[in-house]
Amino acid sequence: AQKVTQAQTEISVVEKEDVTLDCVYETRDTTYYLFWYKQPPSGELVFLIRRNSFDEQNEISGRYSWNFQKSTSSFNFTITASQVVDSAVYFCALSEWYDSGYALNFGKGTSLLVTP
Amino acid sequence: NAGVTQTPKFRVLKTGQSMTLLCAQDMNHEYMYWYRQDPGMGLRLIHYSVGEGTTAKGEVPDGYNVSRLKKQNFLLGLESAAPSQTSVYFCASSRGQSYSGANVLTFGAGSRLTVL
Repeated sequence: AQKVTQAQTEISVVEKEDVTLDCVYETRDTTYYLFWYKQPPSGELVFLIRRNSFDEQNEISGRYSWNFQKSTSSFNFTITASQVVDSAVYFCALSEWYDSGYALNFGKGTSLLVTP
Repeated sequence: NAGVTQTPKFRVLKTGQSMTLLCAQDMNHEYMYWYRQDPGMGLRLIHYSVGEGTTAKGEVPDGYNVSRLKKQNFLLGLESAAPSQTSVYFCASSRGQSYSGANVLTFGAGSRLTVL
C-alpha cells in the first residue's frame, strides 16, 4: 500500500518565523499526484496545491512555497513569515488507486500553531 | 454555489442505533467519497463512488454502508452504531474519470458523530 508520512505532529513558531512542513511518500506508480490541504480551526478542508510526478519545479504562491523532490520522495511545504492565521492542521496526500477509482491517501497531518 | 453540503452537522447516538449521513453536491461531480477523521489518524477513506449507482470500499469500510441512487447524493449509513464510530465524517466530491489521480477533492464542512 502507498503511504504518506508527516513526521512532525505539532509545530509551534512565533509570528514572522519561517516554517517547513515535511511530507515523505511511498508509491510504486510512475505517474501520481501529490496534494496539500489546510484545515483551520473552523474544521473545513481547504485545497492548497496539486503537483504531478513529472513536474519537479518548485511552486510559490505568496508566502507559501512547495519543494517537490522525486529523488527523496518528498513534497515539503514552507510558509515564509508565518502569521497567526496560518495556524491550522496541514495534510499532505497522495493519489491512490483503489479497486475502481482514485482517491486521496492522507498523511496524519501536522498541527501548526503560530503565536503572536 | 453551495458546493458540498453535509447533514446533519452534529449527532449523538446510543450504541446500537442506526442513522444516515447525507452528502449533496451541486457541481455535477462524478466521484464522491466518505472519509472519517480521528485524532492523530488523519483522514481515512471509508467508501467511495465513481458514478451514479456505483459504490466501492475504501480503507475502513466495516460497519458502514453507502448508496448513490442519484448523482448528486451520497449517503453513509450506520446500521448499528458503536462507540468506535465516534468521529468526524467528511464527504468530498471530484470531477469525472481521471486515469492518473489528478482530481482535486472538494470537501464538505464535516459531520461530528458521537456514539455513547
